[in-house]
Amino acid sequence: EAGVVQSPRYKIIEKKQPVAFWCNPISGHNTLYWYLQNLGQGPELLIRYENEEAVDDSQLPKDRFSAERLKGVDSTLKIQPAELGDSAVYLCASSLEGGVGEQFFGPGTRLTVL
Amino acid sequence: QKEVEQNSGPLSVPEGAIASLNCTYSDRGSQSFFWYRQYSGKSPELIMSIYSNGDKEDGRFTAQLNKASQYVSLLIRDSQPSDSATYLCAVNKAWGKFQFGAGTQVVVTP
Repeated sequence: EAGVVQSPRYKIIEKKQPVAFWCNPISGHNTLYWYLQNLGQGPELLIRYENEEAVDDSQLPKDRFSAERLKGVDSTLKIQPAELGDSAVYLCASSLEGGVGEQFFGPGTRLTVL
Repeated sequence: QKEVEQNSGPLSVPEGAIASLNCTYSDRGSQSFFWYRQYSGKSPELIMSIYSNGDKEDGRFTAQLNKASQYVSLLIRDSQPSDSATYLCAVNKAWGKFQFGAGTQVVVTP
């Protein structure tokens, strides 16, 4: 069974530029999460999808971050414009049973904003 | 008070010994609990999940849950150098609401 796929793995951009991350969850997993992880910290939730519906986006900085999961499978997270403080690892995870079940993480995208 | 607390470490463990990691959480209504292993530069990898009070064993790993005291622990028996990593505790506070601790770094010394 293929795991969660993310691309790109690394991205270096200058501040004020836009950037997008893509995630394809494990087949059959209806719940998809985007997390942000800073060095030395645990993952912090940005947004959670149940199928194509964003059911928890309370931690998403909506002035510059957006996300979509149009067909309830793969998802895109966008930042526009990027700021220096956005440098972090962006993790995507999926779950078969979203409410209380196990989450499986993709390899992440390491973003560096210069 | 952080919602999920872990000692940051590093926890130094001799090879072959038992590593004991602790995690406390603040939300008494939390329902499910997870341990993830994260190697440097890699993403978290699920190693254990536990849903009810007591012990759950999987190979060299044992997770222990005590909801009354609001803690969950992970024991790693016969520690190997490959166990050197950061271990993240994750707590499901409510439906779909997961909170991660900052992790405990484990260093297994030969």
